[in-house]
Amino acid sequence: QVQLVQSGADVKNPGASMKVSCKASGYIFTGYYMHWVRQAPGQGLEWVGRINPNTGGTDYAQRFKGRITITRDTSINTAYMELVRLTSDDTATYYCARDCGGNKYYFDYWGQGTLVTVSS
Amino acid sequence: EIVLTQSPGTLSLSPGETATLSCRASQSVSSSYLAWYQQKPGQAPRLLIYGASSRATGIPDRFSGSGSGTDFTLTISRLEPEDSAVYYCQQYGSSPRTFGQGTKLEIK
Repeated sequence: QVQLVQSGADVKNPGASMKVSCKASGYIFTGYYMHWVRQAPGQGLEWVGRINPNTGGTDYAQRFKGRITITRDTSINTAYMELVRLTSDDTATYYCARDCGGNKYYFDYWGQGTLVTVSS
Repeated sequence: EIVLTQSPGTLSLSPGETATLSCRASQSVSSSYLAWYQQKPGQAPRLLIYGASSRATGIPDRFSGSGSGTDFTLTISRLEPEDSAVYYCQQYGSSPRTFGQGTKLEIK
């Protein structure tokens, strides 16, 4: 069965960087785009970016460009999302989510979420 | 950017009733590229509907989606207690892909 398992919760200082991992299993990792979606506490969902695990090609939401890098390691079926220059506004649960196929930008499987708290 | 406005903000209904959730887009959603997700507290979202009206794998037929253009609806019939959740719509036809702010469904 398809599973996306994310790294654990983290606390960061303002100005620091964060990196969340998402290990995929149960399907061909390079066959489906992987997205990242975040959710601030008590708020709605926000698409952050995505990677094509086959080619490494990426697409980022405009508001994160310059601060975000999504990468993958196909040898261990894992995607990563790194966000730098963190502020308190980046406090959120970050989800990886598998594209339904064909780079459609809707999501059929989700990781369990990683809470990142930015606080001094 | 397409803004999705969901209504009502909160809906409180009894088991067995029918819930009607609305998602209105600020511009036409191309090719009816609209999805609905269900999110329960402490859980990741779950895909219910894609393409405005196609049910995702394993979703019971109590859940149905309809609409086109700028107006979309998620209907949940024969409500059950486990349907209590927040429901989000998402358009994926135009960049940036955006979500609605959610409708909270409470089952009395």
